[in-house]
Amino acid sequence: DAGVIQSPRHEVTEMGQEVTLRCKPISGHDYLFWYRQTMMRGLELLIYFNNNVPIDDSGMPEDRFSAKMPNASFSTLKIQPSEPRDSAVYFCASSFTGFETTDTQYFGPGTRLTVL
Amino acid sequence: GENVEQHPSTLSVQEGDSAVIKCTYSDSASNYFPWYKQELGKRPQLIIDIRSNVGEKKDQRIAVTLNKTAKHFSLHITETQPEDSAVYFCAARNAMEYGNKLVFGAGTILRVKS
Repeated sequence: DAGVIQSPRHEVTEMGQEVTLRCKPISGHDYLFWYRQTMMRGLELLIYFNNNVPIDDSGMPEDRFSAKMPNASFSTLKIQPSEPRDSAVYFCASSFTGFETTDTQYFGPGTRLTVL
Repeated sequence: GENVEQHPSTLSVQEGDSAVIKCTYSDSASNYFPWYKQELGKRPQLIIDIRSNVGEKKDQRIAVTLNKTAKHFSLHITETQPEDSAVYFCAARNAMEYGNKLVFGAGTILRVKS
C-alpha cells in the first residue's frame, strides 16, 4: 500500500482565495483525521470521520473551514476565504478499527500551506 | 474529555546518555498510549505504543512504561544517537467513547549532542 496520500504537498495562495486540500486514506481504513500543525499551537485535531461520517468537528477553527468525505477513499478540507493565519502544515491520517495490533493511526506527508 | 500534558518541552542530552519524556492524562478510561516521532519536515510516525493491560514495553533502545493508577506514562530512550533528535509526541485514546481519536501532548524537542 502507498500509505496516506495528500495533495498538493505545497500550496502558496493569496489572502481571500479558496484552498482545497485532498487526502486519500489507506485502503480499508474506516477512520480519517485532519490535523493542523503550527509552531505556536502544536498538532491540532480539526475533524475526524468514521465510515465517511463526520464524528467530531469541534476543532474546526471557524466557518471558513469545511471538510467532506464523499466516499471511503477521498476527503477534502476547504478553506474559503483563506487568511494569513491559516498558514500551517495540514496532515491527514487514517486508521482501521480492527484488532489491537492494526489500529495504529498513520499520517500522510502533509500539505504545507502558505497564505500571503 | 481527555487532556494530555507532556514534559519537558525541550530536552538536550549528550550522545550515549538516556532520555526520558513524561506524559500525564486525565481520562481514567483511556486504554491506548502511542508515541510518535517527527523529524524536521516529515510526518509524525509511530515508534512504540502501550495498552492499558501492560505496564512496560520495550523495542531495542526504546521503552515505554505506564502507571494507570497515577495516570502517567513515559518514553525511555537509551544510548541516544544523533538520529534520535526529533520532536516526540505522546497521545492517549479512550476507544469506548471516542473510537480511534487520539489526544496528543504538546511535544518534546529532543536534541542529542555529539
